[in-house]
Amino acid sequence: AQKITQTQPGMFVQEKEAVTLDCTYDTSDPSYGLFWYKQPSSGEMIFLIYQGSYDQQNATEGRYSLNFQKARKSANLVISASQLGDSAMYFCAMRERNTGGFKTIFGAGTRLFVKA
Amino acid sequence: KAGVTQTPRYLIKTRGQQVTLSCSPISGHRSVSWYQQTPGQGLQFLFEYFSETQRNKGNFPGRFSGRQFSNSRSEMNVSTLELGDSALYLCASSPGDANERPQHFGDGTRLSIL
Repeated sequence: AQKITQTQPGMFVQEKEAVTLDCTYDTSDPSYGLFWYKQPSSGEMIFLIYQGSYDQQNATEGRYSLNFQKARKSANLVISASQLGDSAMYFCAMRERNTGGFKTIFGAGTRLFVKA
Repeated sequence: KAGVTQTPRYLIKTRGQQVTLSCSPISGHRSVSWYQQTPGQGLQFLFEYFSETQRNKGNFPGRFSGRQFSNSRSEMNVSTLELGDSALYLCASSPGDANERPQHFGDGTRLSIL
């Protein structure tokens, strides 16, 4: 069963504008972590932001913020003041406990294009 | 602090051969996970090692195996390579003591099977 859903295969945003990348998840584990990663065309996965399932406040890291709505099981990434260098693939991921260890599940990703 | 180091960066093999990929985690990180990334299947979890023990495994055939050494460095081995094994293989490390710690990834090994 699909556990992380990113419904936007591709997104365009004008430079200096804000953009929201959607992510919904499904888990029965009360304790889990939600992450967003950026993958430029060079291939490396860059950690952007983390939200714990028990965190009361939405996470923020510079221009990145995570809009966490636990009841709706959504964890959308908001990028403010988009820059050309933000053009990349963005993955939403969830880390949960699984058979004694931890497992991270990734969504299919959203490719973001920032226009000058 | 040095990041996650994966070697080699690129590898070309032929069908039927075997391959070993290496991953050195961030100093102090005890958990190492491996992922396969392909255009068709996306990012798929292979396995996770913690303190030299495999504690989680994805849905991959037995041709895919791994191990972790006492210094937390990890290797992944794929035997009897198939064309479909062509992928970017990513390694990620984390402290491993709680699920909320983010994983930090290496630059990956791009494996091509001819």
